[in-house]
This record gives sequence, structure tokens and C-alpha cells, in this order.
Amino acid sequence: ETVLTQSPGTLSLSPGERATLSCRASQTVSSTFLAWYQQKPGQAPRLLIYGTSSRATGIPDRFSGSGSGTDFTLTISRLEPEDFAVYYCQQYGSSLWTFGQGTKVEIK
Amino acid sequence: QVQLQESGPGLVKPSQTLSLTCTVSGGSISSGNYYWSWIRQHPGKGLEWIGYIFHSGTSYYNPSLKSRVTMSVDTSKNQFSLKLSSVTAADAAVYYCARDPLDGYGHFDYWGQGTLVTVSS
Repeated sequence: ETVLTQSPGTLSLSPGERATLSCRASQTVSSTFLAWYQQKPGQAPRLLIYGTSSRATGIPDRFSGSGSGTDFTLTISRLEPEDFAVYYCQQYGSSLWTFGQGTKVEIK
Repeated sequence: QVQLQESGPGLVKPSQTLSLTCTVSGGSISSGNYYWSWIRQHPGKGLEWIGYIFHSGTSYYNPSLKSRVTMSVDTSKNQFSLKLSSVTAADAAVYYCARDPLDGYGHFDYWGQGTLVTVSS
């Protein structure tokens, strides 16, 4: 099983700042199979990025993804008030889907 | 617009079987190639994939839960279901149903709102 480790656990930033979230895999992940989700309290996760860098339908272009191998990054170029939430990375491999433990982006 | 909605008891006794159903609207379960999955989230924790079922009934489960999980599909009702046997307090979580569009990217594009299951006598 591929374990995904996200860092930092919590990111304290102000609106308008840039957020950089990391997701590190315990073994190589195909870039095709790396996704990011946003989750707000009391809501289901929402797909943001799939295939490492493709934005899902309706996702603004301030969200971008990058990476390869075992290191992947989600970047939010300028934080809007609605972006403060928890973010999860997810990978698929060997018929198994696994998720990172999440990074909380909170208002500083 | 595809929508998924979980339903089932919010309280299950220890050692009993948890049973949940996901009703899909805005699209037919059997109309295309999708994996219909169950995912759970322990309170304040991350997400754990439980398993998926295909419209044909083919299923695959997370090895960590495989011995206790059964999934089924009812295409006539546009529903799929989860049964988790011999539950303990460790099975208390929010349970989500979700769809993998089988577009080659292994992600979940639609999710239900989630249903909280408590395990207590």
C-alpha cells in the first residue's frame, strides 16, 4: 500500500497569500493517478485536481498541481476567503486508492 | 447533474452489521463505465477507501476490510449498497459514496454528502 504523507499539517496564511501544500508518497506514483480534494466542515470532499495537474470542472485557475515520482504539490496562487479548508491528496495504484492525512489551510 | 445520496441507520450496535445504501440520481448506474465506491472518514481524521462495485456486480475491496465487507448493486433502483459486519467502535465514521468515472485517472468526481454512523450499545 502506498502511504501519502502531507505537509505541513496546518498552514496559517492570510487572504491574498500563496499556499504551497506538499504530498509525499512512500513509493513512486504515476502522475496520471494523483488527485487533490478540498473539504470544508460538514461537507464531502470536492475534486480539485486530477492527473497531477488537470483542474476539475469549475475549479478556478488559482489552483494548480505539479510533481512527479514521489513528490507532488498543490499551489493556491492567491488565497480567497473560500479557500480556507482542509486539502487531501489521493493516489490510485495496484487496485487500491489511498489518501493523505490532510493539510489544513487556516486564516492567520 | 449527477447526485449521490447515502441512507441507512445512524446507530449500529457492536458486533452487528452496518448497512448503507447510496442512491444515484441524474444518471444511470448501468449507463456507463464507472466504479461506485464507498469511502469513510473517522472523526477528525483522513479518508479511507473501503471498496468499489461495478454495475455488473463485480466488486473489489480494501484488503484491510475485505473479510467484513460486502457490496451489492441494484440497477433497477439505481442504488448500490455496503454491508460491514462485526462492527466495533473503530468503525464509527462518516461514510461517503462516490464515483470514479473510469476516465483513466483513478479519482472521484462525485460524492454523496456523507452519513454519520455511530457504533454503540
